[in-house]
Amino acid sequence: DAGVIQSPRHEVTEMGQEVTLRCKPISGHNSLFWYRQTMMRGLELLIYFNNNVPIDDSGMPEDRFSAKMPNASFSTLKIQPSEPRDSAVYFCASSRAGGPYNEQFFGPGTRLTVL
Amino acid sequence: KNEVEQSPQNLTAQEGEFITINCSYSVGISALHWLQQHPGGGIVSLFMLSSGKKKHGRLIATINIQEKHSSLHITASHPRDSAVYICAVGLEGGADGLTFGKGTHLIIQP
Repeated sequence: DAGVIQSPRHEVTEMGQEVTLRCKPISGHNSLFWYRQTMMRGLELLIYFNNNVPIDDSGMPEDRFSAKMPNASFSTLKIQPSEPRDSAVYFCASSRAGGPYNEQFFGPGTRLTVL
Repeated sequence: KNEVEQSPQNLTAQEGEFITINCSYSVGISALHWLQQHPGGGIVSLFMLSSGKKKHGRLIATINIQEKHSSLHITASHPRDSAVYICAVGLEGGADGLTFGKGTHLIIQP
């Protein structure tokens, strides 16, 4: 299996622009997670989906962030409009099932820089 | 919000040394994960624990639920073990996502 695939790997954009990050989970995995990593705050959960349904989006920082999972093999995280403080590495992870007992497999991350 | 504390934040050791990284948490959890983040940024799951002890190669992870504490040990450390080690917990009765510690930056010198 190719593992969790994220694109793009690097994104540089200007403040105010829309940014879309993409994730393809491992085939057969039912849960998908979006995390953000910064030097100051470390890794933080933004949102997770179970069977394509958003279960907990309490970590989404504000209305500028939105996430969708239209099918079992694809998810997007959108920031509109982007701000410099959104600069971070965004990780997508998937697991076979929901719950804290399942191993999560992480994608390589998207490094976002907002100028 | 649950707080996950790791110590030390940074650790430099010589090749061959026995390494211990600690993780403490403040509320009830369902499970605890140890993750490894390589210098290139990739994150790999090492262990998931809900009780007791697990071993994989030179890595050993233990958890004491009563004391709300876990340790990750590396025996016969090697420069390729240099990475950031992150403790993460799944909250008891809570959401499925993980809450993370800030990580321990480990450098093993040859």
